[in-house]
Amino acid sequence: EVQLVESGGGLGQPGGSLRLSCAASGFTFNYYDMNWVRQAPGKGLEWLAYISGSGNTIYYADSVKGRFTISRDNAKNSLFLQMNSLRAEDTAVYFCARKLAIPFGGVIDTWGQGTLVAVSS
Amino acid sequence: ERVMTQSPATLSVSPGERATLSCRASQSLGSNLAWYQQKPGQAPRLLIYGASFRATGIPARFSGSGSGTEFTLTISSLQSEDFAVYYCQQYDDWPPGTFGQGTRLEIK
Repeated sequence: EVQLVESGGGLGQPGGSLRLSCAASGFTFNYYDMNWVRQAPGKGLEWLAYISGSGNTIYYADSVKGRFTISRDNAKNSLFLQMNSLRAEDTAVYFCARKLAIPFGGVIDTWGQGTLVAVSS
Repeated sequence: ERVMTQSPATLSVSPGERATLSCRASQSLGSNLAWYQQKPGQAPRLLIYGASFRATGIPARFSGSGSGTEFTLTISSLQSEDFAVYYCQQYDDWPPGTFGQGTRLEIK
């Protein structure tokens, strides 16, 4: 069974840092491009970051560029999101998400259950 | 950046009836549009990509149509498990893969 399990969420301080992890199983992790997507409470979905299967190509949404860093460890089937300079507006559920294996675009075919990040003093 | 607008914001339909959800793009997407379903407290689930291709395991009552700037998700005969929030996502201009604001499908 294909599975993505996030961890590392919790309460963060404004200006502080958190590191999210995502453990992947049930598929050949390094074959797949991965993403992070978030959802603020009661709001819609916002794509945040993308990393190719090899880790060589990375993209970010403008809202997190320069503050968040996506990375992966293919040997450990793990995806990460380092979140620095946290703001109140970063409060959201963060989803680890696998890109559909088509050559183009950012369609997501598998989602984790999400981990809640709350930024507050 | 392409702006995605979904309508209506809330749709009330009786079980067994047809539901039609709309998604409009600010610029042409070709067929580079996906639909997702999200139930309360759950992660989204991919329903449709390429505007009309059903994802693996998605029932045939879900169908997508459209191209360019106008897209439709149709659920032919609503089941109780279909009441949820539905999001469209463009991936013609990617990144970012912009999502619409969602349509809440509720029981009438």
